[in-house]
Amino acid sequence: ILNVEQSPQSLHVQEGDSTNFTCSFPSSNFYALHWYRWETAKSPEALFVMTLNGDEKKKGRISATLNTKEGYSYLYIKGSQPEDSATYLCALLTGTASKLTFGTGTRLQVTL
Amino acid sequence: NAGVTQTPKFRVLKTGQSMTLLCAQDMNHEYMYWYRQDPGMGLRLIHYSVGEGTTAKGEVPDGYNVSRLKKQNFLLGLESAAPSQTSVYFCASRYGTDYEQYFGPGTRLTVT
Repeated sequence: ILNVEQSPQSLHVQEGDSTNFTCSFPSSNFYALHWYRWETAKSPEALFVMTLNGDEKKKGRISATLNTKEGYSYLYIKGSQPEDSATYLCALLTGTASKLTFGTGTRLQVTL
Repeated sequence: NAGVTQTPKFRVLKTGQSMTLLCAQDMNHEYMYWYRQDPGMGLRLIHYSVGEGTTAKGEVPDGYNVSRLKKQNFLLGLESAAPSQTSVYFCASRYGTDYEQYFGPGTRLTVT
C-alpha cells in the first residue's frame, strides 16, 4: 500500500499569517499528485493537479510545488483568512492512472 | 450540470440489513469511485470503476459490492450491514488522467 504522508496533522494560525504544509511520498512512480480542500460537512474540492517535476500551480493566495525526485509537494497559503480553514488533502494517482491514494490531511484553522 | 449526486444523504440500518447507495454523475466521466471516511483514517478507497461494465477492488472492499451497468451510475451495495460499516461514504468521478476528481456530497450511514 502506497504511503502518502502529510505534515503537520493540524495547524493553527492567525489571520494574515502565511503558512505551508507538506505532502511526502516514497517514489516518483505515479501519474499525478492532487491537492484538495475539504471543509467540514462538505465534500472535497480540487485545488491542483500536478504531473511534472518542478510543477508550480497557483490559485489566488494558494500555490503548490512538486518535487518528484525527492518525493514531496508543498502547499502554500499567503495571508491566511478565516475562510481558508479546512482540511487540505493530497493524493497520488497510481495504478495505471486509475486510483488516488489519499494522505490523512492537514487540518488548518485560521483565527482572527 | 448537477455534478456528482448521492442518494440517500442519511441512513440508519440495523445489523444484517442490506441497502444500496446510488452515485450518479452527468459529466460523462469514465472513472468512478467509492470511498469511506472515518475519523483519523482519511479517505479509503472501497471499489472503483474505469468504465461502464467494469469494477475493481480498492483498499477496503470486504463487505461491499458494486455495479456499473450505466456509465453515469455507480452503485455500492451492503449485503449484510455491520456496525463497522458505520461511516460517511463519498462517491467521486473523474474524466481522465490529468483531471481532478469530483466528489459527491456524501452519505452518512449508521449501522446499529
